Amino acid sequence: GQNIDQPTEMTATEGAIVQINCTYQTSGFNGLFWYQQHAGEAPTFLSYNVLDGLEEKGRFSSFLSRSKGYSYLLLKELQMKDSASYLCAVRSLTLSNDYKLSFGAGTTVTVRA
Amino acid sequence: ETGVTQSPTHLIKTRGQQVTLRCSSQSGHNTVSWYQQALGQGPQFIFQYYREEENGRGNFPPRFSGLQFPNYSSELNVNALELDDSALYLCASSFRGSGELFFGEGSRLTVL
Repeated sequence: GQNIDQPTEMTATEGAIVQINCTYQTSGFNGLFWYQQHAGEAPTFLSYNVLDGLEEKGRFSSFLSRSKGYSYLLLKELQMKDSASYLCAVRSLTLSNDYKLSFGAGTTVTVRA
Repeated sequence: ETGVTQSPTHLIKTRGQQVTLRCSSQSGHNTVSWYQQALGQGPQFIFQYYREEENGRGNFPPRFSGLQFPNYSSELNVNALELDDSALYLCASSFRGSGELFFGEGSRLTVL
């Protein structure tokens, strides 16, 4: 099975930086995804890591350490619209050799003026 | 917008009833996954369909069942509804082997 942990809530100020940590224990690891989900909306893809290291995508960066079972999502130059839930998801192979995503409970980020 | 559409967007049922939720995949995608998201929780994997067959299942009882049609659209059926089935049901389409999911807006089910 999968065990994915991330903090429940974080608060930061507009223009600041926030780092959301995610730890996981899984079998058949095949990549880690971060999704953003605004209240009442569907999750939308933010980033994907399959190898160790940092992936940068504009204001958002994601880091992965497979040996430590650890990832973080870094949000820079925070804007009010970044207030949302951020979901860490681990990809693994199913018995029928396709992928499935297992999600953490999500971290609610509140950006204050 | 992901091109994945779900219907209905909201519905209310009572305990013991049955519900069918529908999903149209993004063009070119041949795999559909269904997730249940309770309030304040992350999405939980229900099952996945490929070539009209169930292709992986999470920890959900048999009263959760599904179908995939030749045009890759899909249905999720839940029988004998329970109060705890109240949740947002998300459909996600993908191309087999790619791993990246594209989610629809979800169907919010309330069971009274």
